[in-house]
Amino acid sequence: QITLRESGPTLVKPTQTLTLTCAFSGFSLHSTEVGVGWIRQPPGKALEWLALIYWNDDKRYSPSLRSRLTITKDPSGNQVVLTMTNVHPVDAGTYYCAHRSAVTGEDPFDYWGPGTLVSVSS
Amino acid sequence: SYEVTQPPSVSVSPGQTASIPCSGDDLEDKSVTWYQQKPGQSPVLVIYKDVKRPSGIPERISGSHSGNTATLTVTGTQATDEADYYCQVWDLSTVVFGGGTKLIVL
Repeated sequence: QITLRESGPTLVKPTQTLTLTCAFSGFSLHSTEVGVGWIRQPPGKALEWLALIYWNDDKRYSPSLRSRLTITKDPSGNQVVLTMTNVHPVDAGTYYCAHRSAVTGEDPFDYWGPGTLVSVSS
Repeated sequence: SYEVTQPPSVSVSPGQTASIPCSGDDLEDKSVTWYQQKPGQSPVLVIYKDVKRPSGIPERISGSHSGNTATLTVTGTQATDEADYYCQVWDLSTVVFGGGTKLIVL
């Protein structure tokens, strides 16, 4: 079955770079029509999509955060890494990674990780 | 950038029907996905492509789409349905979430 798990620092300082890893099993990013996305949620607020990477290395970013984000996939095909530069307190929240079967243009995120909570403070 | 709009909250009595709208310009040209999120948990996919229900999601949760408004309907609402519900669409290969609606079961 498909599982995903996020990992990374629980606390980062303002202006630092945040690096998060999504490790998954039950599928591979070597398989066609598969994608992994990152979504975050500030405490008490709504979901916000950040980035998405596909099996063919196609990458998509939130227009509002594009300049600060980089998404990459591990050569093993079982991990995805998201980096966010120049973090600030507004970037605090729970960060989720999620699986997408990209057979059609509007397929959903059908499996989600448990999330990892990130705080930003000096 | 594209936006979809949801009411902050919807209230319903147990056993009654709750309807949660999601609206946006040109939404009639897009398919809508719905996620349910309970406190302290990850979102769960409940409806995709407007009306499709993943396995394991009860039939009393359904979706519809007419014009520029999509609607998530919960019939025979139970206390366990109390959660935040988010609509989501694809716009130019990017992902857009609505602001979420808290379903309150009175």
